[in-house]
Amino acid sequence: EAGVAQSPRYKIIEKRQSVAFWCNPISGHATLYWYQQILGQGPKLLIQFQNNGVVDDSQLPKDRFSAERLKGVDSTLKIQPAKLEDSAVYLCASSRQRQRSNSPLHFGNGTRLTVT
Amino acid sequence: DQQVKQNSPSLSVQEGRISILNCDYTNSMFDYFLWYKKYPAEGPTFLISISSIKDKNEDGRFTVFLNKSAKHLSLHIVPSQPGDSAVYFCAASALGGSEKLVFGKGTKLTVNP
Repeated sequence: EAGVAQSPRYKIIEKRQSVAFWCNPISGHATLYWYQQILGQGPKLLIQFQNNGVVDDSQLPKDRFSAERLKGVDSTLKIQPAKLEDSAVYLCASSRQRQRSNSPLHFGNGTRLTVT
Repeated sequence: DQQVKQNSPSLSVQEGRISILNCDYTNSMFDYFLWYKKYPAEGPTFLISISSIKDKNEDGRFTVFLNKSAKHLSLHIVPSQPGDSAVYFCAASALGGSEKLVFGKGTKLTVNP
């Protein structure tokens, strides 16, 4: 099966600019996640969708970050305006159902964002 | 606060020997634990998991041990191979709610030929 697709792979922007990332999950996977991984840290969940509904966005900085999953398939994550501390790798993941037992997360290769 | 801790940033072992990666957690509600492996410029890939009803789970060269009383788990790789060189993340989740995964900071394993 095809893996989780993300684009772009790299993005460099100046602070206060906006940026958007795109994710296409594995076909048939109902749950989609956006993680932020800052250098030297483990991935941190930003938002979790079940189909096109939000399950958890408790760690999403909602004053600048937004995400949507129209039609329950692909998803976009937007940052507006960006700050220097947003420099990180943004990972998209999907799972057939919520992550327990036989439904591990499948990650994309991520988008590396550099804010200057 | 860090609920999942991997206190060793790096580990180096010789090919053929055992690699032991450790992980501690503080949240007593965690009942499901996973290990992910990550190569440079790639996303993490699932390696092995264990439920809190077990104390050991084995998959080929990989074994995860869980000590609930100590809130500690470890990943054993035997025998270690150069292709195992990667960053290993420990993750945990609690039943209920979003059941989101909480990751540790990772341990970089280097297996020397």
